Amino acid sequence: DAGVIQSPRHEVTEMGQEVTLRCKPISGHDYLFWYRQTMMRGLELLIYFNNNVPIDDSGMPEDRFSAKMPNASFSTLKIQPSEPRDSAVYFCASSFWGLAGERETQYFGPGTRLLVL
Amino acid sequence: AQKITQTQPGMFVQEKEAVTLDCTYDTSDQSYGLFWYKQPSSGEMIFLIYQGSYDEQNATEGRYSLNFQKARKSANLVISASQLGDSAMYFCAMREGRIGNQFYFGTGTSLTVIP
Repeated sequence: DAGVIQSPRHEVTEMGQEVTLRCKPISGHDYLFWYRQTMMRGLELLIYFNNNVPIDDSGMPEDRFSAKMPNASFSTLKIQPSEPRDSAVYFCASSFWGLAGERETQYFGPGTRLLVL
Repeated sequence: AQKITQTQPGMFVQEKEAVTLDCTYDTSDQSYGLFWYKQPSSGEMIFLIYQGSYDEQNATEGRYSLNFQKARKSANLVISASQLGDSAMYFCAMREGRIGNQFYFGTGTSLTVIP
């Protein structure tokens, strides 16, 4: 089975440029999460979706960040304009609230390492 | 208040020995789940073990076991017979209740296994 797929795996860009990160969740999963990981702040939840609908975006740092999930198999996280402090590893994760209910774990993608110069 | 607290930023253990990584949690929900993840230097997050709030027995998965003390709100990860490949960051997480499906992560513990 394919896991959570993220692209690109690495992104280097210059300050002020638009950055788009992509995620394909595991087929059948109805929850999708975007996290950001830095040494200083650890793992932060940015936003999560249920059945393609954003449920909680309180972790989105500011208006420069936006996320969409146009369908069950694709999500994007966009940063416009990017700043050096956005440099981090961005993870996408998906999960399924099924028969196992609360036992269902989140499955993480490999992450996108973003460097904003 | 922090939902998940991991007080050990770094730990060292001799190869083949056991090590305990601490995790305490804070919730007023009766139903919740506790998870441990491993993050090796390559960066991926790997699910290790799960403990439900209503589970009467401590969870075990191979060399991993979870020392669950509900009254103390602790869910410590025990790794037995440590291997060099166990060197990684370890994160404790909690899913609270049945609404929202949000996970709360701790700050992680860096484990180094010494040959």
